Amino acid sequence: DAGVIQSPRHEVTEMGQEVTLRCKPISGHNSLFWYRQTMMRGLELLIYFNNNVPIDDSGMPEDRFSAKMPNASFSTLKIQPSEPRDSAVYFCASSGLTDTQYFGPGTRLTVL
Amino acid sequence: QQPVQSPQAVILREGEDAVINCSSSKALYSVHWYRQKHGEAPVFLMILLKGGEQKGHEKISASFNEKKQQSSLYLTASQLSYSGTYFCGTEDSFNKFYFGSGTKLNVKP
Repeated sequence: DAGVIQSPRHEVTEMGQEVTLRCKPISGHNSLFWYRQTMMRGLELLIYFNNNVPIDDSGMPEDRFSAKMPNASFSTLKIQPSEPRDSAVYFCASSGLTDTQYFGPGTRLTVL
Repeated sequence: QQPVQSPQAVILREGEDAVINCSSSKALYSVHWYRQKHGEAPVFLMILLKGGEQKGHEKISASFNEKKQQSSLYLTASQLSYSGTYFCGTEDSFNKFYFGSGTKLNVKP
């Protein structure tokens, strides 16, 4: 099993640009989570999906952030427009019946 | 509500034991424990469900006290490979997930 796949692994962009982060969960998993990790705030849950439906998006910072899960094998997290304070490592995780969350390698985002 | 972890940091010598605590102000459905090494993603250690507990590894175990809304992770005879940041993650009855701020563990030879 390839595990959770995230792309890109690193992204450097300029303030105001649109950023799209991608995630492929483990096959058969029905829950998908997007997290952000910074030194200041630690791990924060942004949004999670169950069976492709957004269940809790209360962690999404503001309207600049949006997430979609068009099918069971793909999700995106979009930031438009990006700001320097969005710089962080963004993790995607998926879980199945056991509730254990398996994390992807993360995307390190730097907004200049 | 983010669970509270203590201590924030621990320094051990190889072979020593450690306990990391995680407490919540809300009733919990489950508690998860993860370890994260620098520059890597968090890795699952074990999950404890309401009404029971699971032992994930031989020298790393955990308990879950539902009434006190807290969990403890026990690291026995620590090894250098145990170094990292340990996070507890909690799930409440509304399926809301929160992670603690982490406990940095440094095991020295």
